Amino acid sequence: EPEVTQTPSHQVTQMGQEVILRCVPISNHLYFYWYRQILGQKVEFLVSFYNNEISEKSEIFDDQFSVERPDGSNFTLKIRSTKLEDSAMYFCASLGLAPYNEQFFGPGTRLTVL
Amino acid sequence: EDQVTQSPEALRLQEGESSSLNCSYTVSGLRGLFWYRQDPGKGPEFLFTLYSAGEEKEKERLKATLTKKESFLHITAPKPEDSATYLCAVQGGYGGATNKLIFGTGTLLAVQP
Repeated sequence: EPEVTQTPSHQVTQMGQEVILRCVPISNHLYFYWYRQILGQKVEFLVSFYNNEISEKSEIFDDQFSVERPDGSNFTLKIRSTKLEDSAMYFCASLGLAPYNEQFFGPGTRLTVL
Repeated sequence: EDQVTQSPEALRLQEGESSSLNCSYTVSGLRGLFWYRQDPGKGPEFLFTLYSAGEEKEKERLKATLTKKESFLHITAPKPEDSATYLCAVQGGYGGATNKLIFGTGTLLAVQP
């Protein structure tokens, strides 16, 4: 069964460093998302991406964040200068074409900023 | 503002003891209500999508229902392997919306053998 994969599973970084989180969405999906979940809190939408551009972003997704689909399979989230409050689980999700409306999530990357 | 509230926050059941989880929502133009299961340290796993009031979906011991204001996830004769956090999410908005999901905080279900 097709699935979304994410690497690394755990990333530890120093405050102020850049990190890149990687995702491989399901192969025939066209819509891609990043969500995050701070420990003990709800899953929060960060950004959606379609047709090689951002279609919507939340208030969390400020200038320190960027997304890219560098090739036909990968989807990345970059945080330019990490802060302590960026520590969270980051989930990638993908969605196929209508009539299907279900987003499928990857296993997540746990980001720890020291 | 779109909002999802889940109750209870936590629920402990004995194996075989049926119960229901609640998801109340306010959303501008409901396009879908979703139930996910999340195990510790893992990503949300899709369970159901509901689109309109009166709709019901079933999968094994789980049944999801939808009204205009809330959804219920009914668990019949649960087993210990049903222990997980159950997340409810809504998708709202009209033409041109991006399908983003708004999640509730979840219900942590523990089923004791």
